[in-house]
Amino acid sequence: DGGITQSPKYLFRKEGQNVTLSCEQNLNHDAMYWYRQDPGQGLRLIYYSQIVNDFQKGDIAEGYSVSREKKESFPLTVTSAQKNPTAFYLCASMGQGNTEAFFGQGTRLTVV
Amino acid sequence: DAKTTQPTSMDCAEGRAANLPCNHSTISGNEYVYWYRQIHSQGPQYIIHGLKNNETNEMASLIITEDRKSSTLILPHATLRDTAVYYCIVRDSSNTGKLIFGQGTTLQVKP
Repeated sequence: DGGITQSPKYLFRKEGQNVTLSCEQNLNHDAMYWYRQDPGQGLRLIYYSQIVNDFQKGDIAEGYSVSREKKESFPLTVTSAQKNPTAFYLCASMGQGNTEAFFGQGTRLTVV
Repeated sequence: DAKTTQPTSMDCAEGRAANLPCNHSTISGNEYVYWYRQIHSQGPQYIIHGLKNNETNEMASLIITEDRKSSTLILPHATLRDTAVYYCIVRDSSNTGKLIFGQGTTLQVKP
């Protein structure tokens, strides 16, 4: 079935380590997005990509990096420069035109 | 910044209609109104979208005012499983740029 997959569902890391979150879609969507969600809060946009080999910063890009080498994949790296990395991370993809965004089930990152 | 404003929270009795409002006073002519909902610790789920006309699907109805500055999502017979955070967003269908979510409305369906 077509869909968008995030892995892993839960991730634990020690402070000071970089960690990469995976997001893969087989929907042939051009656009992909990364969001961060803190408890009781809405979704905040980290990075987005409208096409392969191109991406733009969202509202809270500091301390994060992304790549878009393939249409299907948009990995997010949480670097040691991110001051408060513990959060719920959501990936989404969207096609052109009058279509809706599809979301993954999220990765809950805990940094100890 | 989000281009929509929604009440922070609402309650609804089980079996009754839930009417969730959204203001989007700066919406432009080619922007659609989309509704999503998020059940705790899951990814948001698409509900419905529309441009000008009212829309209905198996999940909900969307009523858009004639001036398109506001809309209402209607869940006709709310159940306990409809308890979630509901997000209203506007999006230009001609591009896949920024997709900004606001804080949403937390709907609590009570028995």
